[in-house]
Amino acid sequence: EAGVTQFPSHSVIEKGQTVTLRCDPISGHDNLYWYRRVMGKEIKFLLHFVKESKQDESGMPNNRFLAERTGGTYSTLKVQPAELEDSGVYFCASTSAGAYEQYFGPGTRLTVT
Amino acid sequence: DAKTTQPPSMDCAEGRAANLPCNHSTISGNEYVYWYRQIHSQGPQYIIHGLKNNETNEMASLIITEDRKSSTLILPHATLRDTAVYYCIVSIGTSYGKLTFGQGTILTVHP
Repeated sequence: EAGVTQFPSHSVIEKGQTVTLRCDPISGHDNLYWYRRVMGKEIKFLLHFVKESKQDESGMPNNRFLAERTGGTYSTLKVQPAELEDSGVYFCASTSAGAYEQYFGPGTRLTVT
Repeated sequence: DAKTTQPPSMDCAEGRAANLPCNHSTISGNEYVYWYRQIHSQGPQYIIHGLKNNETNEMASLIITEDRKSSTLILPHATLRDTAVYYCIVSIGTSYGKLTFGQGTILTVHP
């Protein structure tokens, strides 16, 4: 069984540009989470999808971040326009309904210059 | 979510048991204790979770005190590959629970 995959693994963009991160959860997992770690900080929750619906987006930092999960499969996280403080590692995790453990992807390292 | 307190770092000799403590004195009745770890810059990896009973799986054991205000993760025979940051997290559990990561404990296993 394939694990959670994320694309790209690294992205370097300039301030003001747009970047889209993609997460493919484990097949059949209804729950999908986005987290991020910015430099020197703890891993922070961003939002939670149940299928295609946003269950909790309390961690989204501002309206420059847009997450989607069309069809309840893969998810994208768009940052537009990117700012320097958005640099960090963005993790995606998934879990099946009723399960306890979250399976994390390898992360996307975003660098905004 | 309840806050957790962990020592910032610990050392362990290879082959010995690693005992990682965690305090969660404000845990509520419906909150579970989870342990995850992050090896180098990989994504966090689930280890074990429990509500009030002690739990064991192929990776580790979790000992929760009777008052549930603290717990200990035990890696019975630590290897060099167990060197990682270990996070103790309290969450409401199942698929509704977002994880709130703290600073964790950096465990270094020495040869």
